[in-house]
Amino acid sequence: DAGITQSPRHKVTETGTPVTLRCHQTENHRYMYWYRQDPGHGLRLIHYSYGVKDTDKGEVSDGYSVSRSKTEDFLLTLESATSSQTSVYFCAISEYSYNEQFFGPGTRLTVL
Amino acid sequence: DQQVKQNSPSLSVQEGRISILNCDYTNSMFDYFLWYKKYPAEGPTFLISISSIKDKNEDGRFTVFLNKSAKHLSLHIVPSQPGDSAVYFCAASVVAQKLVFGQGTRLTINP
Repeated sequence: DAGITQSPRHKVTETGTPVTLRCHQTENHRYMYWYRQDPGHGLRLIHYSYGVKDTDKGEVSDGYSVSRSKTEDFLLTLESATSSQTSVYFCAISEYSYNEQFFGPGTRLTVL
Repeated sequence: DQQVKQNSPSLSVQEGRISILNCDYTNSMFDYFLWYKKYPAEGPTFLISISSIKDKNEDGRFTVFLNKSAKHLSLHIVPSQPGDSAVYFCAASVVAQKLVFGQGTRLTINP
């Protein structure tokens, strides 16, 4: 299995509070991604990174920001959490942009 | 606009029989297709992929078929086993671009 960890695995927070989710990889892969999974929508890309300090927006980026200061870490921040951001968040990595991605175990976030 | 669609939210199959999961896409520029399998409380795991230059790819009990003219992708699992019960996602991409996922199909294998 690819070495990907996500922290925390579960989080409950209140509307308006900031939240940061962490993805850590030990594979030295260049590409990292953040997705959210919601019923009826499958997996939707939030942001992705193609190198240290290089990031770009995905399909559902509003309300989220990311940072990548080291190859192994990719942070997803909700500046002011809303109930619509209640979801399961998955980090993924890939060695190249065009091949299969490997996913972390997910973080279940509940915004009350 | 859903570019990748899995129109069956769920599928129930008897153990030992064939499971066929379907996926349709609208973007004719897609040239790489993948299937992922997901168990509850785990991340998706890569299952099998196919390039648009092929129409079939096999890996053990899993075969993916691609019909470019119909913009249709299918995953065949033969024979189906209880451990195959999971949610299956198809995904598609243009080379060097982001993956686009379908909504998923929940497969249940009945003993």
